[in-house]
Amino acid sequence: NAGVTQTPKFQVLKTGQSMTLQCAQDMNHEYMSWYRQDPGMGLRLIHYSVGAGITDQGEVPNGYNVSRSTTEDFPLRLLSAAPSQTSVYFCASSRTNRSPLHFGNGTRLTVT
Amino acid sequence: AQTVTQSQPEMSVQEAETVTLSCTYDTSESDYYLFWYKQPPSRQMILVIRQEAYKQQNATENRFSVNFQKAAKSFSLKISDSQLGDAAMYFCAYRMNSGGSNYKLTFGKGTLLTVNP
Repeated sequence: NAGVTQTPKFQVLKTGQSMTLQCAQDMNHEYMSWYRQDPGMGLRLIHYSVGAGITDQGEVPNGYNVSRSTTEDFPLRLLSAAPSQTSVYFCASSRTNRSPLHFGNGTRLTVT
Repeated sequence: AQTVTQSQPEMSVQEAETVTLSCTYDTSESDYYLFWYKQPPSRQMILVIRQEAYKQQNATENRFSVNFQKAAKSFSLKISDSQLGDAAMYFCAYRMNSGGSNYKLTFGKGTLLTVNP
């Protein structure tokens, strides 16, 4: 099993550009989520999904969109990138609400 | 809203010695999980240890153990016989086990641990 796979590992965008961060898991986990990590802030929840077709906002959802058309995939879309979205992004999944989260290796995004 | 506080932004320890990382949290729930995650320079998030609030016995994983004080809402991590590979950022995290939000983790801001040879 590959676990949670995030692509790309690194990305540089210009302000106003759009892009999609990809996340896929092969463990048949119902729950998937996106976090961003900023220095001195820990990890903060952006969006999450408890199953295909179901998504909800986390703590810092503004500027990001998500969809969950399949159990395996949970892409994160930046519609118009801003320098404030410079961060490291983590995707995570869990089999049940009592199971530990499995994290991807992160995407480092820089917006200039 | 639940909050998690790690009051030590940085800690250091000599190799082979013991270090304790502090974590406090605020919640009105009685059913929850607490976690410690390790993030080495590789950026990978690694689960170190977890504790279910209903279990009174402190969790232990090899050289890692916790001191869980539910009434005080404290959840410290003790690393015994510290090794160079323990150097990392450590995050304390909380997850509620009831209601619609019971998948979400709330993280502290992290403690950067340095291990000196």
